[in-house]
Amino acid sequence: GDSVTQMEGPVTLSEEAFLTINCTYTATGYPSLFWYVQYPGEGLQLLLKATKADDKGSNKGFEATYRKETTSFHLEKGSVQVSDSAVYFCALTGSARQLTFGSGTQLTVLP
Amino acid sequence: EAQVTQNPRYLITVTGKKLTVTCSQNMNHEYMSWYRQDPGLGLRQIYYSMNVEVTDKGDVPEGYKVSRKEKRNFPLILESPSPNQTSLYFCASSLIRGPNEKLFFGSGTQLSVL
Repeated sequence: GDSVTQMEGPVTLSEEAFLTINCTYTATGYPSLFWYVQYPGEGLQLLLKATKADDKGSNKGFEATYRKETTSFHLEKGSVQVSDSAVYFCALTGSARQLTFGSGTQLTVLP
Repeated sequence: EAQVTQNPRYLITVTGKKLTVTCSQNMNHEYMSWYRQDPGLGLRQIYYSMNVEVTDKGDVPEGYKVSRKEKRNFPLILESPSPNQTSLYFCASSLIRGPNEKLFFGSGTQLSVL
């Protein structure tokens, strides 16, 4: 079945540091890929998505590129802020049309 | 305001005492779903509903029931809760269940079963 593997957390960075959170996937066919973010005490919100190979999703300074050859969708941001502290989930919608989530990566940004 | 509303936000109960977690959306969404979130496991789908009176099992349905009698409501029922159902629960909805549709999530229900 479909699966998503994210890098283990927690990740702690200083403000203005570069962020990468790795995500790889296993799926049949051509899945759509997503990053969701969960701020403390809240539900998940869609951060960005990509629906086909080589698409780049971007939002709020975050970017991720759909790499079919490496089955990856790594999340990046050039300069993180304290307000980016949250849990980040990589997810995909595969042939079953249901969302499959990774285990989540906790990011803490220190001032 | 467009939203998914879950109640209660926190719930402590004892083994075997039936409980219901309510979920309501005001966006006329066809698709609704329940997830549980556990440390290291991410979100796992319990049940989902493609429309009124249409429900299907997700990845971890054992011990749960759902119903979809109205479009806006999708309650999660635990007939006989057990400690392994202690978790953070999220309800979510989307307009339809297409591959690119954005899911809207409620704020979560933290359940503790003693």
